[in-house]
Amino acid sequence: AQKITQTQPGMFVQEKEAVTLDCTYDTSDQSYGLFWYKQPSSGEMIFLIYQGSYDEQNATEGRYSLNFQKARKSANLVISASQLGDSAMYFCAMREGQGTNAGKSTFGDGTTLTVKP
Amino acid sequence: NAGVMQNPRHLVRRRGQEARLRCSPMKGHSHVYWYRQLPEEGLKFMVYLQKENIIDESGMPKERFSAEFPKEGPSILRIQQVVRGDSAAYFCASSLGATPAEQYFGPGTRLTVT
Repeated sequence: AQKITQTQPGMFVQEKEAVTLDCTYDTSDQSYGLFWYKQPSSGEMIFLIYQGSYDEQNATEGRYSLNFQKARKSANLVISASQLGDSAMYFCAMREGQGTNAGKSTFGDGTTLTVKP
Repeated sequence: NAGVMQNPRHLVRRRGQEARLRCSPMKGHSHVYWYRQLPEEGLKFMVYLQKENIIDESGMPKERFSAEFPKEGPSILRIQQVVRGDSAAYFCASSLGATPAEQYFGPGTRLTVT
C-alpha cells in the first residue's frame, strides 16, 4: 500500500534562511509522481513542485527544490531564502501510475512551517 | 483558462439535511477526484470518476455518500443526512489522465454541520 510520512509536525525558520521539510514514501510501483503542496490559512491547495519517479534531475521551481533520493524513498522539499509569506501547512503527496491505485493521490499529514522575522 | 471550480465555497447544513458539492474540472479534463480534509489532518482520497463512470470509490464511506460525473455538467458529491462528523473541507481535483502527472485542485468546499 502506498504511504507518505511527514515526521515534522511543525518547523520554524528565520526569514531569509533555507529550510528542509522531510517526506518519505512507500510504494511498490515503478511509475509514480511526488508532489508538494502549500496550504495557507485561507485553505486552498497550492501546487509547488512535481518530481517523476523516472526523472534523473531533482525538480526545481524558483525558490523550491525537491531533494529526490529514490533508493531511500525520500522526497524532501527545500525552500531557499524563506519569506514571511511562506508560513503555511505543507503537504507531500504521491500518485501512482499503474495498478489499482493509478491516478489517486496519497497525502502525508503535513508540516506547519512558521517563518520568523 | 479557468482552473478547477468548486461551489459553494462554504456550506452550512443542519444535522439530517443533504449536502451537494459541485466540481467543474479544468477544460479538457475528464478525470475527477474528490478528497476530504478533516480538521488538522491531511487530505484523504474518497472517489475517482471519469465521465459517467466511477473508477475507484474505495475511500467513500459506505453509507450516505455518493458521487457522480455526468456526461454534461459538473461532478457532484452528495452527502445525505449529514452528521457533525461530516464537517470538513472537501476538495476536488482534475487531470487529463491517470498518469502520475500533476493534478489540479479546486479551492475546496468547507462544509459545516450544525
